[in-house]
Amino acid sequence: DTGVSQNPRHKITKRGQNVTFRCDPISEHNRLYWYRQTLGQGPEFLTYFQNEAQLEKSRLLSDRFSAERPKGSFSTLEIQRTEQGDSAMYLCASSDDPRDRGGYNEQFFGPGTRLTVL
Amino acid sequence: QKEVEQDPGPLSVPEGAIVSLNCTYSNSAFQYFMWYRQYSRKGPELLMYTYSSGNKEDGRFTAQVDKSSKYISLFIRDSQPSDSATYLCAMSRYNFNKFYFGSGTKLNVKP
Repeated sequence: DTGVSQNPRHKITKRGQNVTFRCDPISEHNRLYWYRQTLGQGPEFLTYFQNEAQLEKSRLLSDRFSAERPKGSFSTLEIQRTEQGDSAMYLCASSDDPRDRGGYNEQFFGPGTRLTVL
Repeated sequence: QKEVEQDPGPLSVPEGAIVSLNCTYSNSAFQYFMWYRQYSRKGPELLMYTYSSGNKEDGRFTAQVDKSSKYISLFIRDSQPSDSATYLCAMSRYNFNKFYFGSGTKLNVKP
């Protein structure tokens, strides 16, 4: 399978619990992005990794959110002390270096993890 | 104010119609402009991208960017029921460190 995969696909949790999502990018892609999408809205940028370095992080992200990409391969997004407002689809996307594509970056999205906080 | 504004629709058209989808933006630093299609419960998939101002055509799809007006459009000719989906515009600066998406326009093409 050469696509972006995300696990789990669905997660139901109780308010106050911690949750962790995993994203496996396309193997040769060095860039990885996390987004949050709520119903009727477009994806909202959360954070960006180039290899293992987290180079961009949204100001909207509270301290309860953290992301890692050890060894520049898969990535995890953790939400601590979940709140009902965290209920959303969490999308991961990966891309290769724009310099390898004539200056353009094409993101490939995974199917997302749908989080429901009760 | 959001950096990217997009009419949410929904937009309902008969099969074969020409569809026009639009976005406006406020950040003049945006250089790359993209259109994505998203089906229900799926991740977005890239349709087209344009660098700076101008037009780009790919089959039944034409993307236009007017940087002076901070306005981008996607035209779909001979629309098909299979085009029914949510269309998202997205934008980025030169370094692709961050992407800004519109809220999406839901399109329904009736047979």
